[in-house]
Amino acid sequence: KNEVEQSPQNLTAQEGEFITINCSYSVGISALHWLQQHPGGGIVSLFMLSSGKKKHGRLIATINIQEKHSSLHITASHPRDSAVYICAVIAGNNRLAFGKGNQVVVIP
Amino acid sequence: NAGVMQNPRHLVRRRGQEARLRCSPMKGHSHVYWYRQLPEEGLKFMVYLQKENIIDESGMPKERFSAEFPKEGPSILRIQQVVRGDSAAYFCASSPPTRGEQYFGPGTRLTVT
Repeated sequence: KNEVEQSPQNLTAQEGEFITINCSYSVGISALHWLQQHPGGGIVSLFMLSSGKKKHGRLIATINIQEKHSSLHITASHPRDSAVYICAVIAGNNRLAFGKGNQVVVIP
Repeated sequence: NAGVMQNPRHLVRRRGQEARLRCSPMKGHSHVYWYRQLPEEGLKFMVYLQKENIIDESGMPKERFSAEFPKEGPSILRIQQVVRGDSAAYFCASSPPTRGEQYFGPGTRLTVT
């Protein structure tokens, strides 16, 4: 079983809809990253969080350490939000362990 | 402040050749990490380095792969005698001495023909 599980694997939304993607992990962590990757593109770090909630523009990330769960919310989704969103946890020795990603497609 | 830089962005090698991938961390960052993304697969940790030290190489294949982060200059990931299975995107990330958030480079896409 992978240390980091993400759901749903694929998500399609209409422009303007509220999107939630989820990440569960099974190991002890010091922090969690949400990353964004466009097709054939580089990786952008959206958030690093170790507790509570962070907000940046239309993106909100939450984490529940006791339940080992994090969510990424996209409000008022836009086609440019179409990307793969990757959850990564900081496990032992500062290395990142990654989920397989949530493929998000926002249709105009 | 320039971000993490990787070069080359695209690299084509024939089977049996050597591939050298370079990573220059962000200014002030002394920790470098290499990750590999195989086609249709997720990212996997390879190696974690500080200047002149390998801290964790538990994700490196046992043969043909090596990494260094010298006192001066970029970090180098070296793959000897490449095979088709080495074709992947290789990402470098760096973090400050406090080991905080990791910032990713644009990646090097290696194709072995």
